Amino acid sequence: AQTVTQSQPEMSVQEAETVTLSCTYDTSESDYYLFWYKQPPSRQMILVIRQEAYKQQNATENRFSVNFQKAAKSFSLKISDSQLGDAAMYFCAYSVTGNQFYFGTGTSLTVIP
Amino acid sequence: GAVVSQHPSWVICKSGTSVKIECRSLDFQATTMFWYRQFPKQSLMLMATSNEGSKATYEQGVEKDKFLINHASLTLSTLTVTSAHPEDSSFYICSAGRSRDGYTFGSGTRLTVV
Repeated sequence: AQTVTQSQPEMSVQEAETVTLSCTYDTSESDYYLFWYKQPPSRQMILVIRQEAYKQQNATENRFSVNFQKAAKSFSLKISDSQLGDAAMYFCAYSVTGNQFYFGTGTSLTVIP
Repeated sequence: GAVVSQHPSWVICKSGTSVKIECRSLDFQATTMFWYRQFPKQSLMLMATSNEGSKATYEQGVEKDKFLINHASLTLSTLTVTSAHPEDSSFYICSAGRSRDGYTFGSGTRLTVV
């Protein structure tokens, strides 16, 4: 069975600093996709970044980047130059093409001014 | 990009009544949509996969007769909570799109049963 684990229920970061959110997953598949979603207080799920398992290069989107370690089944999110608007719940998610997402339990990120 | 509209944003209903939630793909056709439930400060729990023109696939533990799903067109899926009770109060979210691109989520519906 596929499972996604986020071991940090809460994290905090000083504004303008860098923070890393952890995510591990379990799968027997070789081809899959990994995502980080952000859920602010509005509860709208917003896609932050995605990674295709067959790509070795880590995905980056502006201040957001991932450290994808396929052998270790690890997919961490690094947020650089943290901003107040980054405060939200962050969910790691896994998906095999055409199928539903499996979400982690989430990490609540607080940004300290 | 893909846009998913969910309606209503919030609804309050009396215990024993039924409530219908709509999920629409506005600029693309969705043969598959997903319905999630989220309790406060918890993750999204997949309830069912909605398939256009066929029966929905429910996750284990989800009551099919209580949570009726209809996917009658390529752009609309509905979730009806039948004979709602206070324990059905929750946040319901739908999603659609392509998994490889990252599904697009609706804005969610907050259901309160009184």
